[in-house]
Amino acid sequence: DIVMTQSPDSLAVSLGERATINCKSSQSVLYSSNYKDYLAWYQQKPGRPPKLLIYWASTRESGVPDRFSGSGSGTDFTLTISSLQAEDVAVYFCQQYYSTPYSFGQGTKLEIK
Amino acid sequence: QVQLQESGPGLVKPSETLSLICTVSGGPITSYYWSWVRQSPGKGLEWIGHIYHTGLTNYTPSLKSRVSMSVDTSKNQFSLKLISVTAADTAVYYCARFGPWHWFEAWGRGILVAVSS
Repeated sequence: DIVMTQSPDSLAVSLGERATINCKSSQSVLYSSNYKDYLAWYQQKPGRPPKLLIYWASTRESGVPDRFSGSGSGTDFTLTISSLQAEDVAVYFCQQYYSTPYSFGQGTKLEIK
Repeated sequence: QVQLQESGPGLVKPSETLSLICTVSGGPITSYYWSWVRQSPGKGLEWIGHIYHTGLTNYTPSLKSRVSMSVDTSKNQFSLKLISVTAADTAVYYCARFGPWHWFEAWGRGILVAVSS
């Protein structure tokens, strides 16, 4: 099974500043036949389901603001929010869909400093 | 835009069966994979399994002996059954739809199911 580990567990960033969340997989989620990383990012606000932000590690879902970006490949990935807005306060999760059982990171709680 | 809505009892007794239904509206249930995910404070987000509209299933190994899923295309619904529940099965249960590959592109609002006598 692939274990997803996020860091940090929580993060406080000032409004307008950059926020960076890391995700590491216990084995590569890069599929060699198509050179795609099977990695997604989600945002979850209290009392709401997760919301898809990014898939294929760096492709933004339709409607997601361009201040959200994903990068990385293989086993190490990053979600970056370029200029933190108040509405970005949430918990963020990574998820691998490379192989079953599909698995999520433990979550990173993002707050305003 | 597709919408998903979970329904079922919010309280189940230990050793009994948890049964949930997800009703899909705003789009067909055919040609997609449908999934159940649960979220508990202790275990975070956990993929339970998924089902294709043909009935093909894939379950997480840790729950495989206790879980079953089915789909009713005539009602645009799919369901989850989890037998022999314990307190460890207490969680918010979400139904979700996979995107073109197996990321979760649409989610229900979730239903809290508590296992308690």
